[in-house]
Amino acid sequence: GAGVSQSPRYKVTKRGQDVALRCDPISGHVSLYWYRQALGQGPEFLTYFNYEAQQDKSGLPNDRFSAERPEGSISTLTIQRTEQRDSAMYRCASSLQAVRTDTQYFGPGTRLTVL
Amino acid sequence: AQSVTQLGSHVSVSEGALVLLRCNYSSSVPPYLFWYVQYPNQGLQLLLKYTSAATLVKGINGFEAEFKKSETSFHLTKPSAHMSDAAEYFCAVSDTGANSKLTFGKGITLSVRP
Repeated sequence: GAGVSQSPRYKVTKRGQDVALRCDPISGHVSLYWYRQALGQGPEFLTYFNYEAQQDKSGLPNDRFSAERPEGSISTLTIQRTEQRDSAMYRCASSLQAVRTDTQYFGPGTRLTVL
Repeated sequence: AQSVTQLGSHVSVSEGALVLLRCNYSSSVPPYLFWYVQYPNQGLQLLLKYTSAATLVKGINGFEAEFKKSETSFHLTKPSAHMSDAAEYFCAVSDTGANSKLTFGKGITLSVRP
């Protein structure tokens, strides 16, 4: 079946602009996660949802970052007033259940470049 | 807090040689541990995971890992490297309590020489 999809795959924007990154999880998956990956580093947790409820947003760097999953399926990560330091790969993952042992399935990521 | 250490950033082996990628963890509770592989321009793919059943875990593509509590390690091995194994490998630990977020190591790039 279809895996996790993310759009756009690449996004180039100018400093100060807002961007919205989309994640479409595997159908039926309860949990959805957002991670950010800098070059040469492992993914770093940003936030996650169970159904439509945001369970943990402790990884969001500041209040310019926000995320939503209004119907418990597709999620959007929004970055307002982008800065060059926001440039990174943004990865989304989903899992069938909200348990520690469950496998997280990752999408291909969105490469964000802020000029 | 949970953490994972992957020493070194790059490992190079000859085709047919043993692959050994090291991972050490720190956890305040019994850990759940994962190895993911990332091929160029693709998402992360699960290789294997330890969830407190057998300490020797077998995964896809001939990889396996052994959980050693006394050494706080979860090293990834493969007896014979193939050219297609060239990729970036990440070790991760699941968070405590009800939170299922993953904490990743920095990753190790594996190169395979012909």
